[in-house]
Amino acid sequence: NAGVTQTPKFRILKIGQSMTLQCTQDMNHNYMYWYRQDPGMGLKLIYYSVGAGITDKGEVPNGYNVSRSTTEDFPLRLELAAPSQTSVYFCASSDGLAGAYNEQFFGPGTRLTVL
Amino acid sequence: GQNIDQPTEMTATEGAIVQINCTYQTSGFNGLFWYQQHAGEAPTFLSYNVLDGLEEKGRFSSFLSRSKGYSYLLLKELQMKDSASYLCAVRGAGSYQLTFGKGTKLSVIP
Repeated sequence: NAGVTQTPKFRILKIGQSMTLQCTQDMNHNYMYWYRQDPGMGLKLIYYSVGAGITDKGEVPNGYNVSRSTTEDFPLRLELAAPSQTSVYFCASSDGLAGAYNEQFFGPGTRLTVL
Repeated sequence: GQNIDQPTEMTATEGAIVQINCTYQTSGFNGLFWYQQHAGEAPTFLSYNVLDGLEEKGRFSSFLSRSKGYSYLLLKELQMKDSASYLCAVRGAGSYQLTFGKGTKLSVIP
């Protein structure tokens, strides 16, 4: 089991460029999440999904889009990169089973810099 | 909404015991998680409390008081590798979403 994988590990973007952060999990989890983590600010939820074809906004969705066409994949799209989107992005997943802890498993993160 | 407070930084000595506190105000509650995050790495799950009381897992224990909106993480026999940030997170009622505190950076010194 690879768990949750993310690509790329690092990326530098110019203002106005677009990119997609990839996230894949091989644990057959129903729930997937995207967070951003800024220094000293904790993890903020951007978007989440409770299953293929279903996504919803989190606390800080502006400037981002997501899709969930399969159980395994949950890509995050930045359409017009801005310096405020410089951050570390973490993807996570959980199984969503009743009676379970439903702890979230995190990917290794993508470090994005927008200049 | 949810508001979660934990100290920003703590320092403790190798071999000692340290307690990291977390207080929360929520509109609903369905569990509290503690995660460990080493610098430059992803958070990893440490513990989960949904009922009042103490949960023990090796050198780590976590306590919850729902009436006080309070939890702590207790780390015993501190090792240098315990130097990391410790994140408190609360799950709201009827939800699988987590709201995270800003984290407590623990430095273990010889």
